[in-house]
Amino acid sequence: AQSVTQPDIHITVSEGASLELRCNYSYGATPYLFWYVQSPGQGLQLLLKYFSGDTLVQGIKGFEAEFKRSQSSFNLRKPSVHWSDAAEYFCAVGKTSYDKVIFGPGTSLSVIP
Amino acid sequence: NAGVTQTPKFQVLKTGQSMTLQCAQDMNHNSMYWYRQDPGMGLRLIYYSASEGTTDKGEVPNGYNVSRLNKREFSLRLESAAPSQTSVYFCASSEDRGRGYTFGSGTRLTVV
Repeated sequence: AQSVTQPDIHITVSEGASLELRCNYSYGATPYLFWYVQSPGQGLQLLLKYFSGDTLVQGIKGFEAEFKRSQSSFNLRKPSVHWSDAAEYFCAVGKTSYDKVIFGPGTSLSVIP
Repeated sequence: NAGVTQTPKFQVLKTGQSMTLQCAQDMNHNSMYWYRQDPGMGLRLIYYSASEGTTDKGEVPNGYNVSRLNKREFSLRLESAAPSQTSVYFCASSEDRGRGYTFGSGTRLTVV
């Protein structure tokens, strides 16, 4: 069965530092991969997505993610974190564009001024 | 602004009461979804509707019913609320799953 793991429940970084949030999935073929961000009291917003092609994808708000088939990973990165990036981040996986999407448990990001 | 609108934003119910959560989107999307969000568990799919006139169960459908009233609206009904249904409920829509979802701002439901 499909599954998504986000090994880090909570991460704290200093403003201006780099960030990497980990995501691993379980699925045999290349899935559809997504990262969403949820600010406190808000719904989720799509940051970026990957289906095929270049394994490094760019998203909104300066985020990027890299698909690594050999590691079944889709890690989210940002070179310099801003205080406004403090939020919950969710990785999500779908088998095909018409299959249901499974969400990981989320990683909570805190940013120290 | 275009998007997904959920009502109400907050609700407190007594055990056994019923209620309907409303969701409407104005982006002409075909697919709509209901998720519940609980701490440490991410989002779990309750029901979805791939197109107007169709609905299907997700991971956690027990205790819920849905109606795809038209292309714009997708409601979630709790017939007899239980404390285990205390959660934050999100509605989402998409043109197709591959393009990602647009989420509403959620309904925080407490069942006492």
